[in-house]
This record gives sequence, C-alpha cells and structure tokens, in this order.
Amino acid sequence: SYVLTQPPSVSVAPGQTARIPCGGDNLRDHSVHWYQQKPGQAPIMVMYFDDDRPSGIPERFSGSKSGTTATLIISRVEAGDEADYYCQVWDTPSNLFVFGSGTEITVL
Amino acid sequence: QITLKESGPTLVRPTETLTLTCTCSGFSVSADRVGVAWIRQPPGKALEWLALIYWDGDDRYRPSLSSRLTITKDSSKNQVVLTMANMDPVDTATYYCAHSIVGPRFFDYWGQGILVTVSS
Repeated sequence: SYVLTQPPSVSVAPGQTARIPCGGDNLRDHSVHWYQQKPGQAPIMVMYFDDDRPSGIPERFSGSKSGTTATLIISRVEAGDEADYYCQVWDTPSNLFVFGSGTEITVL
Repeated sequence: QITLKESGPTLVRPTETLTLTCTCSGFSVSADRVGVAWIRQPPGKALEWLALIYWDGDDRYRPSLSSRLTITKDSSKNQVVLTMANMDPVDTATYYCAHSIVGPRFFDYWGQGILVTVSS
C-alpha cells in the first residue's frame, strides 16, 4: 500500500519559516493536499494540488513539490500556527485515499 | 454553505456494531461528482481514511477494514451512514465525515467529529 512519510515534529522560532516535508514514491504522479489540525478541532484544508491555497488561508502558507517530496511552507510563523499538519494523496493505482503520519509544529 | 455533522453512539461495547450518520447540508450527496468520506483518528494518533461513497453509489474501503465496513447513502435525507462491525477497544477514535469531489479528491469540508469509545 502507498505510504506518505512525515517527520513527527518540527520546531521553529516565531517569525521564522517552517518547512514540513512529506515523502512518497512517485509523488510527482500524485496531487498532494495539506490539512491543519489544532487540538480538539477538526482538520481544515490549507493547501491543495501541491501549491494552491484555499480562500481564507493566509498567504504565509505555500506549498511545493520536487521529486519524491512535497513541502508545506509556513513563512513568518506565529504562535497560532501551532498544530498538527497532515499531507494526503489519492493513490490512483489502488484507488485509495492516503494520509501522512502527521507533523506537529511547535513554535518556540 | 456546506456543513456536515456526525451523530451516533459515543459508547459501544466490544463485538457490537457501530452505526454513524453524517447529515449533510449545503450540497446533495447525489450531486454529480460528490463524495462523502469517513475518516477516524484514535486519541493522539494520525488521521486514517476508512471509506467513501460517491454520488452514484460507488464506494471505496480501507483494505484492512473492508470486511467490517459498510457505507451507504440516503439521498432523501441527504445522509451518509457508516457501519463498522465487531468493534474492539482499538477502534476507539474520533470519527469524522468529510466532503470530497471526484477529480481533486481532497477533503474540503469536515464535520466536527464524534468521539466513539469502545469499552465493556
């Protein structure tokens, strides 16, 4: 089955840039979507199709993909960005949805 | 505006069957290209996709749980129902339903979730 790999945690100082990687085989053949989940809340989509930002999501959030790694980038990090972030793809060969293991962002 | 809301029991006994209902508004579960999924999250753990049903009734299941899961929709009530048989304490989780669209296949709207505890 298809697997997406994320680091368990990333720490970043306020005002700095956080980069959250998501790795998977043949990721160039998949569209990657990202979700933010704050404690006790349902996830919300913060990026879709690798680098498209839904309305209402701050411009500080951006996405990129190269080779087997997609990256969610949060510029000028704020305390309110502390959350778990998950990547997700639709795996065409298996016709299944796959989530990454999630990355907790800690603002120092 | 699109909203989804999960309902069902918050406590089930081991071996029982769980039935959860997702009541949708702001869209039709039978509208072209629409899908509604169930996703769960055990306490402190990652999101785990369970099942999805498309507007035309086509469905998909997580392979490891497919023998225990059934997803159906009631267009007249605009609801999607998930049943999970033979519940075990490891199935304790918050269960979410979410809106999707064929093509993008992302989850752009989520319910608030319902915490289901499996315990005797």
